[in-house]
Amino acid sequence: DTAVSQTPKYLVTQMGNDKSIKCEQNLGHDTMYWYKQDSKKFLKIMFSYNNKELIINETVPNRFSPKSPDKAHLNLHINSLELGDSAVYFCASSPHQINTGELFFGEGSRLTVL
Amino acid sequence: AQKITQTQPGMFVQEKEAVTLDCTYDTSDPSYGLFWYKQPSSGEMIFLIYQGSYDQQNATEGRYSLNFQKARKSANLVISASQLGDSAMYFCAMRGTQGGSEKLVFGKGTKLTVNP
Repeated sequence: DTAVSQTPKYLVTQMGNDKSIKCEQNLGHDTMYWYKQDSKKFLKIMFSYNNKELIINETVPNRFSPKSPDKAHLNLHINSLELGDSAVYFCASSPHQINTGELFFGEGSRLTVL
Repeated sequence: AQKITQTQPGMFVQEKEAVTLDCTYDTSDPSYGLFWYKQPSSGEMIFLIYQGSYDQQNATEGRYSLNFQKARKSANLVISASQLGDSAMYFCAMRGTQGGSEKLVFGKGTKLTVNP
């Protein structure tokens, strides 16, 4: 069983479209994250949710809207996609406190905006 | 705020030799954690090793060891007996706190290439 699963793994779309990436974790963790990895491989946190509640919201355009229907799911919806949104998006989860490396990542979703 | 610096964009090593990947950090928190992750070309993020700021001994996990020098604020990863499968991006990360929740702040990564 995959601990943190993301769908889709690849997403190619036109500028201006709206798309969603889904994430589910079966680890029983309280906290979930979205990270963005740009073309230079730099990983930056976007959002963090703890038990369905938004905890961290970095300076991300409001075209990005995370939604957590329950603590096992954290979806990312992106409106009006732009070329600069092309990246790999990683979902991750952890217990509330990251103690000893318990940040588990999904396999990533590569978004390409044309 | 926490900051992680990895100054080596790329490193090369011969198979079976040891290699050190550099990582320096900056934080005002008295308690923190340092992590290393591996990202092979397939893209997944693989946790390698963790060092707590109060740990007395350097962390080791198999062929991976973390050379933790607190006074110098460095947390270098040492890979012994390199294998071809070690070729990947390596990220150093630090546990940071924001809004009562913890997050990992990542360095820009080092691309390691192991030559046969």
